[in-house]
Amino acid sequence: KNEVEQSPQNLTAQEGEFITINCSYSVGISALHWLQQHPGGGIVSLFMLSSGKKKHGRLIATINIQEKHSSLHITASHPRDSAVYICAVLGIGSARQLTFGSGTQLTVLP
Amino acid sequence: NAGVTQTPKFQVLKTGQSMTLQCAQDMNHEYMSWYRQDPGMGLRLIHYSVGAGITDQGEVPNGYNVSRSTTEDFPLRLLSAAPSQTSVYFCASSYYSGGAYEQFFGPGTRLTVL
Repeated sequence: KNEVEQSPQNLTAQEGEFITINCSYSVGISALHWLQQHPGGGIVSLFMLSSGKKKHGRLIATINIQEKHSSLHITASHPRDSAVYICAVLGIGSARQLTFGSGTQLTVLP
Repeated sequence: NAGVTQTPKFQVLKTGQSMTLQCAQDMNHEYMSWYRQDPGMGLRLIHYSVGAGITDQGEVPNGYNVSRSTTEDFPLRLLSAAPSQTSVYFCASSYYSGGAYEQFFGPGTRLTVL
């Protein structure tokens, strides 16, 4: 069983829809990252969080440490949000080494 | 700052050839790492370095060597390329912020081994 599980693997939405991507992990962590990867492009860090909630524009990330679960929400989705979203965790004791989920491919249709 | 840079962007090798993927960062980050990304799998750690002169193996180190002679540079060497090493390779650097490590990724190198 992977230490980091994401769902769904693929998600297609209509422009304007509210989107949720989920991430569950099985190890103790010091922090969780949400990353974005556009087709053929590099990887950009969207959020790093260890508790609570963070918001940046239309993106919101939440984490529940007790339940070992995090969600990434996109409000008022737009075709430019189409990308792969990756959850990654920093383990306690190996705080510099990330363990990655396999990613969620999001397609937002106009 | 240029951030994390990688060269080349694309490379095609024949089985048995050797090559070096270059990675550099200008942010004075102590920690650098190499990952490979394969379809359907999450990124996997190949090697990492916690500072100049210090390197260690990650999850999938076989067939790769690294060195860290300066803070800025962290090259990845493929000793004898194999088709199983066809992948996209990402270099990353990180620094400590707010209780954890902020991550910065390079643009990636797409490697094909024939």
